[in-house]
Amino acid sequence: QTVVTQEPSFSVSPGGTVTLTCGLTSGSVSTTYYPSWYQQTPGQAPRTLIYNTNIRSSGVPDRFSGSILGNKAALTITGAQADDESDYYCVLYMGSAVWVFGGGTKLTVL
Amino acid sequence: QVQLQESGPGLVKPSETLSLTCTVSGGSVSADYWSWIRQPPGKGLEWMCYAYNSATTYYNPSLKSRLTMSVDTSKNQFSLNLNSVTAADTAVYYCAKHRRGGGYSFDHWGRGTPVTVSS
Repeated sequence: QTVVTQEPSFSVSPGGTVTLTCGLTSGSVSTTYYPSWYQQTPGQAPRTLIYNTNIRSSGVPDRFSGSILGNKAALTITGAQADDESDYYCVLYMGSAVWVFGGGTKLTVL
Repeated sequence: QVQLQESGPGLVKPSETLSLTCTVSGGSVSADYWSWIRQPPGKGLEWMCYAYNSATTYYNPSLKSRLTMSVDTSKNQFSLNLNSVTAADTAVYYCAKHRRGGGYSFDHWGRGTPVTVSS
């Protein structure tokens, strides 16, 4: 069974840049997995940040960007702000109408 | 602007069936694709099931034997039934709309409804 992997936690300084990744236990992530990224703060529903690898959802600041880096999908936050402190989830489309979420990354801004 | 609202009992007994409904406003349930996603306390998100009309549904293989999703176009709602629940099914349950143009991601989410499985 293929598992989608994310860093459990990450830390970034205010104003700094951080790249979170989304990989597979078997194989490489490519655009054909249509990776998307979601931000979730405690007690709230997820908010869509990025879809189809690198397209920002409406209203998402341009400090958030998506890409493929090596064999993983990546979410880069440039100029991190305090309110970027959240959990971040990627989800991959595995084909045949099946989606798998990564375990999420808890981002601390300090 | 599409809005989604989950509803259902907040407490279900073990071995019983969990039934939730998502009411869609600002859009038509027959025009888009829909999913259920859940999140156990303190854990990550899990995609559960997907439908794009009243006859076409897909399920997470790990839940397929216990799960049924349906779409009611007359009420502009879609529903989830999860049978034989255990404590492991305690979670916040979200309904979500898939983005048009392929439907590979989610662009609108409900606020989520917490469900506890306990006797």
